[in-house]
Amino acid sequence: KQEVTQIPAALSVPEGENLVLNCSFTDSAIYNLQWFRQDPGKGLTSLLLIQSSQREQTSGRLNASLDKSSGRSTLYIAASQPGDSATYLCAVTMNSGYSTLTFGKGTMLLVSP
Amino acid sequence: EPEVTQTPSHQVTQMGQEVILRCVPISNHLYFYWYRQILGQKVEFLVSFYNNEISEKSEIFDDQFSVERPDGSNFTLKIRSTKLEDSAMYFCASSERQVGHQETQYFGPGTRLLVL
Repeated sequence: KQEVTQIPAALSVPEGENLVLNCSFTDSAIYNLQWFRQDPGKGLTSLLLIQSSQREQTSGRLNASLDKSSGRSTLYIAASQPGDSATYLCAVTMNSGYSTLTFGKGTMLLVSP
Repeated sequence: EPEVTQTPSHQVTQMGQEVILRCVPISNHLYFYWYRQILGQKVEFLVSFYNNEISEKSEIFDDQFSVERPDGSNFTLKIRSTKLEDSAMYFCASSERQVGHQETQYFGPGTRLLVL
């Protein structure tokens, strides 16, 4: 059974810092990996999707990398801003062809002004 | 920008009562999903739905749960006899194509269900 783990569980940084969020998964037979953002009491917003054949994806200040063989992904946030404060979730889809997303518990990020 | 909507935003019910959670997926999407998130826990997959039938369901989705697309726009999750442990945030999601084909799922804002 696929297990997704995210470290750290919480992170507090001052505005302007670059930071890295980590995600690991136990079964490397994934089809893709996604990073989501969740604001308190709100739904999930997809940030980046990386196919298993890709090494990284970039969107603005966000860069996500994938090392499928080692079962790891990182989300790099450059020049963090208070508006980046949210919980960041990592989720994987397996090669089974089904659409099930398996989520990690998330990293709660607080960026202080 | 099109978005997934869910109603109600909050629901409080007594144990044993039936609840129906409603979702309006993005209009041109064909795949629909329900997930739940118990407070402080991971988001968990419940069920996926395509072409008017369930395509996959998790162990959580037992006989107390059912899904329906009663018309061309709504997608509902029914819990027949709620239990205390059903208290959670329930998220609806939709995608244009199955996630395995490079399409992401778009999530609604959720319905917070509290069973007393």
